[in-house]
Amino acid sequence: KAGVTQTPRYLIKTRGQQVTLSCSPISGHRSVSWYQQTPGQGLQFLFEYFSETQRNKGNFPGRFSGRQFSNSRSEMNVSTLELGDSALYLCASSYGPVAENTGELFFGEGSRLTVL
Amino acid sequence: AQSVSQHNHHVILSEAASLELGCNYSYGGTVNLFWYVQYPGQHLQLLLKYFSGDPLVKGIKGFEAEFIKSKFSFNLRKPSVQWSDTAEYFCAVGPGGGATNKLIFGTGTLLAVQP
Repeated sequence: KAGVTQTPRYLIKTRGQQVTLSCSPISGHRSVSWYQQTPGQGLQFLFEYFSETQRNKGNFPGRFSGRQFSNSRSEMNVSTLELGDSALYLCASSYGPVAENTGELFFGEGSRLTVL
Repeated sequence: AQSVSQHNHHVILSEAASLELGCNYSYGGTVNLFWYVQYPGQHLQLLLKYFSGDPLVKGIKGFEAEFIKSKFSFNLRKPSVQWSDTAEYFCAVGPGGGATNKLIFGTGTLLAVQP
């Protein structure tokens, strides 16, 4: 069974540019969550999608946005990149919200974004 | 404010030593608690979880954790560590019985086990 796939794995952008990251969840999983991981802040929740609907959003500026498609694949977009956006962006999938499944999030290996 | 504190940022142990990693949380209402682990070069994976019932939960690879509600703690333990336990460990909390996968993570504890 294939795991969570994130693309691209590494990317370098300059300030002011925008970036789109993609996540393909495990087959059959309908819930996708995104987290930002940095050395100083650890993992911080960005968004959560279930059946194409955003169920929850973290405390990030409006430059961070996301969406989920009918096949459960998800994308997140960051516009007008800032140096502080450099981070590892992790996608996690599950069958559904925690209450409806084993409580386990399956994480991808992440997309490492460097903003110069 | 909702938060998770992991007081040990970096722990170094010799093989066969006992391990206890501290985790304290601040969160209103009932909670679900988790420990995730990230081995070198691998993705985050679930080590163990607590939803309800017996506050002593057992996970993979001989790890266990105890939920102490009065202390808002969920400490991770292992009686005898192995070199292969070298990894980063993250404690996380989410709403109990909630319909969300929004978890609050601690900043992680890097464990190095010396052979």
